Amino acid sequence: DTGVSQNPRHKITKRGQNVTFRCDPISEHNRLYWYRQTLGQGPEFLTYFQNEAQLEKSRLLSDRFSAERPKGSFSTLEIQRTEQGDSAMYLCASSLGGGAPETQYFGPGTRLLVL
Amino acid sequence: AQSVTQLDSQVPVFEEAPVELRCNYSSSVSVYLFWYVQYPNQGLQLLLKYLSGSTLVKGINGFEAEFNKSQTSFHLRKPSVHISDTAEYFCAVTNFGNEKLTFGTGTRLTIIP
Repeated sequence: DTGVSQNPRHKITKRGQNVTFRCDPISEHNRLYWYRQTLGQGPEFLTYFQNEAQLEKSRLLSDRFSAERPKGSFSTLEIQRTEQGDSAMYLCASSLGGGAPETQYFGPGTRLLVL
Repeated sequence: AQSVTQLDSQVPVFEEAPVELRCNYSSSVSVYLFWYVQYPNQGLQLLLKYLSGSTLVKGINGFEAEFNKSQTSFHLRKPSVHISDTAEYFCAVTNFGNEKLTFGTGTRLTIIP
């Protein structure tokens, strides 16, 4: 399978713990996005990378959240001191860079439950 | 700022009947529009997109959508639905130079046998 993969698929943690999610994009894609989806809502943009550079961050991305894409390939999203309100599905997507909006291909997501 | 409104949170439809899922957008500049489908326990999959040109866009699985600039709408249609179309459908908008997609809240399509 050459699609976007995310690990883990599910994570249960206690409030106050740190968690880290990984996203592996489609290999030739230079753009990588993180979104968050809560129950009954559509995905909300968090941040995106072009190669290893983080070019945009949403106001939703508080200082407890950090994302990296160190070599321009896979990316990690870390949440420090988790809160119950962080419970959501975290989606990763990737695309080819270009002038017109390229299709974003989504992974299956990581579902986080904070107890 | 952009926004998307999906007017129906749930749409039940009998199998083999037609369906229309409504999407309205708000943007101060030219837009690009997308419909994604999310099957249970899966990621989002692109159904179709409008970038420019013909306002009638055909996508996968027999779906099509029409861009109507005057009504700021991008409704999704299928002439005859199948059980396998049961899923959540999301409309999304972006514009040139803007990398992020702004999604609606989704419409859950339920097919009744």
